[in-house]
Amino acid sequence: RKEVEQDPGPFNVPEGATVAFNCTYSNSASQSFFWYRQDCRKEPKLLMSVYSSGNEDGRFTAQLNRASQYISLLIRDSKLSDSATYLCVVNQAGTALIFGKGTTLSVSS
Amino acid sequence: GAGVSQSPSNKVTEKGKDVELRCDPISGHTALYWYRQSLGQGLEFLIYFQGNSAPDKSGLPSDRFSAERTGGSVSTLTIQRTQQEDSAVYLCASSLATFMRATNEKLFFGSGTQLSVL
Repeated sequence: RKEVEQDPGPFNVPEGATVAFNCTYSNSASQSFFWYRQDCRKEPKLLMSVYSSGNEDGRFTAQLNRASQYISLLIRDSKLSDSATYLCVVNQAGTALIFGKGTTLSVSS
Repeated sequence: GAGVSQSPSNKVTEKGKDVELRCDPISGHTALYWYRQSLGQGLEFLIYFQGNSAPDKSGLPSDRFSAERTGGSVSTLTIQRTQQEDSAVYLCASSLATFMRATNEKLFFGSGTQLSVL
């Protein structure tokens, strides 16, 4: 079983749609959780951290379910500029961050 | 510069040759990571340096791969006797994370080195 699994997509949605991505992780000792965004042929950049109580940043909402070992990202009112690959990332303290393979989102007008 | 710097940005080599990839992290960042990304694939962890601790080499795919970090700053990833399957983008990242504290793990990535083995 892979450490971090994501639905690769692609998710093709129209502008204004709400879209949700899920991610599961295998290591129950994982302590930190993040969503990174990677544009085509660019390096990944941090989108947001994921906190136990859930957190929101504008149109983006992240949720963590430790019991089920999954993380979600919800994007509301999708924009063309949201088109990218979204990477789920987890780690334990003192170890490297492990990246999922990413979910590709394509927003069309 | 203010960001993570990697060189070269592109490297074309012949099968069997050795290559060295360089990463200059953000000043003051104690953690340094090497990942690689093949076309259309996710990031594959290679090696992780954290301060003066022994590096986590668990992601290195074979003994042809090695990395060092001199003086807690610049890192070099060396691939010996390159093979075609080594072709990928090699990404370096650094962070402020201190050992055993994962809460400050925002990674700053360099632009990567595109390695092509012919």
